[in-house]
Amino acid sequence: DAGVTQSPTHLIKTRGQHVTLRCSPISGHKSVSWYQQVLGQGPQFIFQYYEKEERGRGNFPDRFSARQFPNYSSELNVNALLLGDSALYLCASSYGGSGGYTFGSGTRLTVV
Amino acid sequence: DAKTTQPPSMDCAEGRAANLPCNHSTISGNEYVYWYRQIHSQGPQYIIHGLKNNETNEMASLIITEDRKSSTLILPHATLRDTAVYYCIVSLRIGSSYKLIFGSGTRLLVRP
Repeated sequence: DAGVTQSPTHLIKTRGQHVTLRCSPISGHKSVSWYQQVLGQGPQFIFQYYEKEERGRGNFPDRFSARQFPNYSSELNVNALLLGDSALYLCASSYGGSGGYTFGSGTRLTVV
Repeated sequence: DAKTTQPPSMDCAEGRAANLPCNHSTISGNEYVYWYRQIHSQGPQYIIHGLKNNETNEMASLIITEDRKSSTLILPHATLRDTAVYYCIVSLRIGSSYKLIFGSGTRLLVRP
């Protein structure tokens, strides 16, 4: 059984550029959440999608956006990249409800 | 806006039980307590969760106090591979979905 897969695993971008990160949930999981983890801190909640609808948004600027596709995969987009956006971006999926979330290994984004 | 308090670090000897405490004094009646761990910048790994009853699985046991204001994660026979950051999380309900709000976690070091 494939777990949560994220691509790419590593990425280097320049300030001001745009980036798209991708996530494929576990088969049958309908909920996808995105988290940002800066070095030395716990993951910070960015978005949650369930059945292709946004169900929650964390305290992030409008430069951050996301969407979920009919096959439940998801994209996280970040515009006008800042140095402070350098982080590990984690995707987590769950079937829904109160079940445990399964995390991917993340995308390491470095903004230079 | 993490709703949990954990000691920043703990250590235990290999083969002994590791007992990780967590305070969640503002937990609501329908909020679950989750435990995850993260090993060296990998994605967080689900360990266990519970509502009000004690829970046990192949990885750990979760003891929740009767007033639900605190809990303890027990790793019965810690190994060196259990060295990780352990996060105690109270899920936050969004409609019919839940989101996980991470705090800073407890860094557990298992000594040989």
